[in-house]
Amino acid sequence: DAGITQSPRHKVTETGTPVTLRCHQTENHRYMYWYRQDPGHGLRLIHYSYGVKDTDKGEVSDGYSVSRSKTEDFLLTLESATSSQTSVYFCAIRGLDNEQFFGPGTRLTVL
Amino acid sequence: SQQGEEDPQALSIQEGENATMNCSYKTSINNLQWYRQNSGRGLVHLILIRSNEREKHSGRLRVTLDTSKKSSSLLITASRAADTASYFCATVPMNRDDKIIFGKGTRLHILP
Repeated sequence: DAGITQSPRHKVTETGTPVTLRCHQTENHRYMYWYRQDPGHGLRLIHYSYGVKDTDKGEVSDGYSVSRSKTEDFLLTLESATSSQTSVYFCAIRGLDNEQFFGPGTRLTVL
Repeated sequence: SQQGEEDPQALSIQEGENATMNCSYKTSINNLQWYRQNSGRGLVHLILIRSNEREKHSGRLRVTLDTSKKSSSLLITASRAADTASYFCATVPMNRDDKIIFGKGTRLHILP
């Protein structure tokens, strides 16, 4: 998985609670991405980062925030989780031609 | 919005046969990529073709790109059971190489 780890790998939480997912890379890549994958929707970009403290929104950013205080870590926070945020979340890093190298994913269930 | 759309959505073939999947996209691209995803795993990058290339090979994979038709195809020759997976095309838009847009994928099932 290209030196990318995600934690936790599985999480069940309740509506209204905050949730933070962590992505960690060991290869000093500048760009990092958070996606969600849902049946019928494919893979959709939530937020991405192009450097420490530099982030931008993707197509489905509402309800999510991100932070990147170190090159190796990119955090995704659901401020107040909703059932519609039940999904599989993937972190990715970018190669030279914008190839994406994905982590193993986090399966999040919001009850 | 989705840039790449794969066709068919699902495909079942016998082991040993060739599998062809297609991808259409809407706007000018810098490059187009194909990925594989096994059940419960992250996507794995397979091959990249640039906008000025027409064909590329990697092992049993052959990718073609027709920029005039805004389409690409992925051919897997001599399919194996291990090729059972979902396959996604992804496009990097021209002048926006910080973005990559994925299609919804083709589910390929190789029958023994």
